[in-house]
Amino acid sequence: DTEVTQTPKHLVMGMTNKKSLKCEQHMGHRAMYWYKQKAKKPPELMFVYSYEKLSINESVPSRFSPECPNSSLLNLHLHALQPEDSALYLCASSPDYTGSYNEQFFGPGTRLTVL
Amino acid sequence: DQQVKQNSPSLSVQEGRISILNCDYTNSMFDYFLWYKKYPAEGPTFLISISSIKDKNEDGRFTVFLNKSAKHLSLHIVPSQPGDSAVYFCAAYWRGSGYALNFGKGTSLLVTP
Repeated sequence: DTEVTQTPKHLVMGMTNKKSLKCEQHMGHRAMYWYKQKAKKPPELMFVYSYEKLSINESVPSRFSPECPNSSLLNLHLHALQPEDSALYLCASSPDYTGSYNEQFFGPGTRLTVL
Repeated sequence: DQQVKQNSPSLSVQEGRISILNCDYTNSMFDYFLWYKKYPAEGPTFLISISSIKDKNEDGRFTVFLNKSAKHLSLHIVPSQPGDSAVYFCAAYWRGSGYALNFGKGTSLLVTP
């Protein structure tokens, strides 16, 4: 299995809603990432988990809350979002970071619309 | 500050010909470079990579060339096929930056029959 899966594929939410995005990989990868991508822009890194611990938080607002329940799963909890948070949210994973180089493998993304 | 630049937002090539996508970078610390392909409404798909100790890496129809002195890399697709039509992102990182991939803004490739 060489896939990163994400659910849901599309999500529409109001500014007062609470929702969660889910990501799963079964490649045995120990690093997992959340990216945000706006139209015609490159992906922007939000969070990195390494061995289920948060390694990097790129100054993301607290209305985004990541969670890594185990080595295969990564969640992104959303609360009180703003319309400008509407974007494609991408999950990625890579084998490990031990100082060697790793390709990051991306999921298909969740298209989020905040009304 | 955009450290990885793809100055051509779009490129159109005829089927069967060579597609050349270019990428420049400013951070001389970068030592690993990747190309990703992205279809609309899908996540980026890893295509090919190259480390700074090499100047060429080939995988089937895809070849990446790295010119460190010019801080320039290019992706060659030969022969181009209509299914190659997508947005191509160049990305780079260095060990000291940990996990942070620096992406270019992408080049939209259209391969016409």
